[in-house]
Amino acid sequence: GENVEQHPSTLSVQEGDSAVIKCTYSDSASNYFPWYKQELGKRPQLIIDIRSNVGEKKDQRIAVTLNKTAKHFSLHITETQPEDSAVYFCAASNYGGATNKLIFGTGTLLAVQP
Amino acid sequence: DSGVTQTPKHLITATGQRVTLRCSPRSGDLSVYWYQQSLDQGLQFLIQYYNGEERAKGNILERFSAQQFPDLHSELNLSSLELGDSALYFCASSVGLAADTQYFGPGTRLTVL
Repeated sequence: GENVEQHPSTLSVQEGDSAVIKCTYSDSASNYFPWYKQELGKRPQLIIDIRSNVGEKKDQRIAVTLNKTAKHFSLHITETQPEDSAVYFCAASNYGGATNKLIFGTGTLLAVQP
Repeated sequence: DSGVTQTPKHLITATGQRVTLRCSPRSGDLSVYWYQQSLDQGLQFLIQYYNGEERAKGNILERFSAQQFPDLHSELNLSSLELGDSALYFCASSVGLAADTQYFGPGTRLTVL
């Protein structure tokens, strides 16, 4: 069935360092890949997304890359700051079909040490 | 604030009871999604409605049901509650069925004692 694997489950970095979170999806029909940030007790918030016709997308300190052949996509955060500390979820969906439901990865707890 | 509202914020109830969670999507959004977040299962898709019709079902238990009303708000009904149903229940909405951003509501925290 549909599955999204996410690694690592926890990540601790020093302020100013880069952080990379990786996801692998199983459904080859997936064509939309959003990343959500969730702070403790709060709702998930979209931080960046990428569609399958694009290999890379950047928004200031955040970038996402997609390798459709390998069914991998990754989140890159540069110059990390303490306020980047949160749980990050990757997700995959197949829009344009019957449903664009999101299949989420298991989450990565990012801790940025000042 | 995403524009998606959910009530109540917290719900404490006993095993065997029935509860109803309510969601109002962003103005103009036709799709509503329900997700369950528990510590051991992460964020799990439950069900999607689009313009009043059920569009997709995920791992939703038979004890759970949902509907979307003509004004597009949605309700998730959970019955014969068990301890394991304790979780955060999120509603999300999007414009339609394309690669639209799904905006999440603040969630309802359900505790079953």
